[in-house]
Amino acid sequence: ELQLVQSGAEVKKPGESLKISCKGSGYSFTNYWIAWVRQMSGKGLESMGLIYLDDFNTRYSPSFQGQVSISVDKSISTAYLQWSNLRASDTAMYYCATRDNSGRLYWGQGTLVTVSS
Amino acid sequence: DIQMTQSPSTLSAFVGDRVTITCRASQIISDLLAWYQQKPGKAPKLLIYKASNLQSGVPPRFSGTASGTEFTLTISSLQPDDFATYYCQQYNTYFLTFGQGTKLEIK
Repeated sequence: ELQLVQSGAEVKKPGESLKISCKGSGYSFTNYWIAWVRQMSGKGLESMGLIYLDDFNTRYSPSFQGQVSISVDKSISTAYLQWSNLRASDTAMYYCATRDNSGRLYWGQGTLVTVSS
Repeated sequence: DIQMTQSPSTLSAFVGDRVTITCRASQIISDLLAWYQQKPGKAPKLLIYKASNLQSGVPPRFSGTASGTEFTLTISSLQPDDFATYYCQQYNTYFLTFGQGTKLEIK
C-alpha cells in the first residue's frame, strides 16, 4: 500500500536552515505530485506548493513563493521541504501528500517544526 | 487560484442527527474534491475522495455528492466520534486549495 513517512520533529532557532523529508513507499514514485501543507496551531490547512514527479516542475502558492523550496530525490523516493532562513512564524505542523491513479489521496503523519530563540 | 468556500463554519448537532456540510468551488474542478476529518493534535483523516468515493475503513454513514461546482458531505446519523473539524480540498489544480473548515460540535 502507498505510504508516506515523514522525518521527525525539529526544534530550530530563527535564521537557521532546515530540510524535512517525506519518503514514499508501496508505489511508483514517478506519477503525479508530492504536495506540502502547513497547519499552524489551531488554524486551518494551507497548501504550500507541490512538485511534479515526472518532470520535477515545482509550483508554489503565492504566500510561500520565495520562502521555501521543494525538491525530490527520485532515487530514494523522497521529497523535501527546505527553509534557508527560518522565522518564528514558520512554527507549524507540516504534512506531505500525494495521490494515486484512482484519485485517492495519501498523507504523511506530519512533521512538527518549532522555531524559537 | 481556485477558491473553496465551505459552510457553515460551525455546526451544532445532536447524536443521531443528519448533517450536511457544503463546499463551493470558484471554478470547475471536475470531481477532484476530497473531504477530511481532523481531531485536535491529529493528522487529517481522508473520508471521501473524487467527490463521492468512500475511503476504505470509513463508516458508510459518511457520503459525498457533487453538482457542478457544489460539493456536499453528509453524515447520516451522527455518532459521538464524529464531533471534529471537517475540511474540503480541491486537487484539480496545483494549488490544492482547502475550505476554511467546519467545526462540528455537540449540542
